[in-house]
Amino acid sequence: QVQLVQSGAEVKKPGASVKVSCKASEYTFTGYYIHWVRQAPGQGLEWMGRIKPNSGGTNYAQKFQGRVTMTRDTSTATAYMALSRLSSDDTAMYYCASNVQLDYYYDMDVWGQGTTVTVSS
Amino acid sequence: DIVMTQTPLSSPVTLGQPASISCRSSQSLVHSDGNTYLSWLQQRPGQPPRLLIYKISNRFSGVPDRFSGSGAGTDFTLKISRVEAEDVGVYYCMQATQFPPLFGQGTKLEIK
Repeated sequence: QVQLVQSGAEVKKPGASVKVSCKASEYTFTGYYIHWVRQAPGQGLEWMGRIKPNSGGTNYAQKFQGRVTMTRDTSTATAYMALSRLSSDDTAMYYCASNVQLDYYYDMDVWGQGTTVTVSS
Repeated sequence: DIVMTQTPLSSPVTLGQPASISCRSSQSLVHSDGNTYLSWLQQRPGQPPRLLIYKISNRFSGVPDRFSGSGAGTDFTLKISRVEAEDVGVYYCMQATQFPPLFGQGTKLEIK
């Protein structure tokens, strides 16, 4: 079935970078945006940005500009989210999501299982 | 930026009884294309979010018909006609009319 499978948990030190992957299966990867949403422990959802897999074009939330980079590999149907200069505030669950069944690109109808990123010295 | 405000933040409900969650935006969510991009997501404990409702009132595939969405402009409501045990979790509204998309703070639904 249509799914997004994310990479495993990460533990990083402050100041380091992390790269999370999101592999799509059972649908045309290049046809739909991939969004990244994060959730700090016990907190709500925060949209980070999106990538258009066919062109590689990206849009980032202002909060993450200069620190986040979203890329994709169409040969493996995988999207990536890299976040640099990590601090403890970046400790969170990171989700990828897409609008595979619905027309509007922000109607995120498929979600990955999440990747925990822990930033600790 | 738009501000999304959900009420209540916590909602204890008796099984079989209705529940209602409100979401208010600081600006109209009517898009220039005439659509209103307000959706509702459910997040069960330990699970990723799940899309329930899109464009105010459209139930996504597989969502039980006890869930319904309504509203217009800046005021929106998610209703559960008869709460079941599996409905426990946090519910988020999300606006995607203006960039960037923004979630409400979340409403925790729990059983009394």
